[in-house]
Amino acid sequence: KAGVTQTPRYLIKTRGQQVTLSCSPISGHRSVSWYQQTPGQGLQFLFEYFSETQRNKGNFPGRFSGRQFSNSRSEMNVSTLELGDSALYLCASSLEDSYTDTQYFGPGTRLTVL
Amino acid sequence: AQKVTQAQTEISVVEKEDVTLDCVYETRDTTYYLFWYKQPPSGELVFLIRRNSFDEQNEISGRYSWNFQKSTSSFNFTITASQVVDSAVYFCALSEAQGGGADGLTFGKGTHLIIQP
Repeated sequence: KAGVTQTPRYLIKTRGQQVTLSCSPISGHRSVSWYQQTPGQGLQFLFEYFSETQRNKGNFPGRFSGRQFSNSRSEMNVSTLELGDSALYLCASSLEDSYTDTQYFGPGTRLTVL
Repeated sequence: AQKVTQAQTEISVVEKEDVTLDCVYETRDTTYYLFWYKQPPSGELVFLIRRNSFDEQNEISGRYSWNFQKSTSSFNFTITASQVVDSAVYFCALSEAQGGGADGLTFGKGTHLIIQP
């Protein structure tokens, strides 16, 4: 079974731009969660999608948004990029419940904001 | 609010030594799940183990073993006869069932393990 895939792997953007990251979950997994990893703040939960609906959301500004498609693939969008948005963005998929089922992570997208 | 503490920022040992990574958690829930993940330099988080709060049995998987003690709110990870390939950052994480996943996985800051040949 293929693992979680994320595209692109690397991105360089400038302040003020917007960016869209993509995540394809493990086949059969319906829950997709997103995390931001920075050296200062560590791994922080962004949001979780299930059945095309945002089920949970972390403490991030509204510039961070996402969506999920009927095939469970998910995208996250960051608008009006700031230097502090430079991070590794990790996507994780789980069968149904993100809090009881194991979350399996993708390789991440490394975003650099200049 | 839930919290995970990994007090060891970095550990360096010589190959074949045993090493224990500490994890202490805080939660008000009676039902919760604990995880360990490994993050090699490539960046991907690799799942190692999941343990629910009702199962305090220790687990061994090859050179890896885990010690879960609810009395001390700890979930420690031991690597026996360490190898250079074990070098990575290891994260302990907590998920609270009663929260319905509202906070996702709560991660510790990670322990950078360096195995020297």
